[in-house]
Amino acid sequence: DVKVTQSSRYLVKRTGEKVFLECVQDMDHENMFWYRQDPGLGLRLIYFSYDVKMKEKGDIPEGYSVSREKKERFSLILESASTNQTSMYLCASELTDTQYFGPGTRLTVL
Amino acid sequence: GENVEQHPSTLSVQEGDSAVIKCTYSDSASNYFPWYKQELGKRPQLIIDIRSNVGEKKDQRIAVTLNKTAKHFSLHITETQPEDSAVYFCAARRRGGSQGNLIFGKGTKLSVKP
Repeated sequence: DVKVTQSSRYLVKRTGEKVFLECVQDMDHENMFWYRQDPGLGLRLIYFSYDVKMKEKGDIPEGYSVSREKKERFSLILESASTNQTSMYLCASELTDTQYFGPGTRLTVL
Repeated sequence: GENVEQHPSTLSVQEGDSAVIKCTYSDSASNYFPWYKQELGKRPQLIIDIRSNVGEKKDQRIAVTLNKTAKHFSLHITETQPEDSAVYFCAARRRGGSQGNLIFGKGTKLSVKP
């Protein structure tokens, strides 16, 4: 059974803080993704990675960066959090087209 | 790039009725179309998918149809039950020289009333 975990379910940060969201998968998947989910906007791709140390921008990368130092771990970084980054963040790993999502991190930036 | 439109945004049906959710896509090169279900407070999970070489696929009470000419695909749920209540996302993916990403629709909130 595929397991994708995220470091926090809920997170509250202040404007300007640096925020780290971590995602870990245990199935040796090469492809990993970070999405942002907002009501009425669906799932929007922030960044993705198809291999260790590889990263590519998705549709809304502004204000975010990522790190993939190990195959199982994909981190999303908010360099200087802003209130418009308050959202649900979902990580996913992928095997042969099927994406397996983590439980999500509800981030609130005050 | 690819754009996926999903309708309706909300859908309410009586238990036992059928529900249909429709999506259109813009990139004729897209060839993979999954549907994800997200129950309240839970993560999205794949429920069914279809590839462009197939016109219809069925799995118990759910089915997906694909019309490549019109560039639209639909999710059909028959004999709906309260546990079908969730947000459903369609998506499209283009495979080409480099790997394509899933482009998701904005979601449909399905409510099944007992």
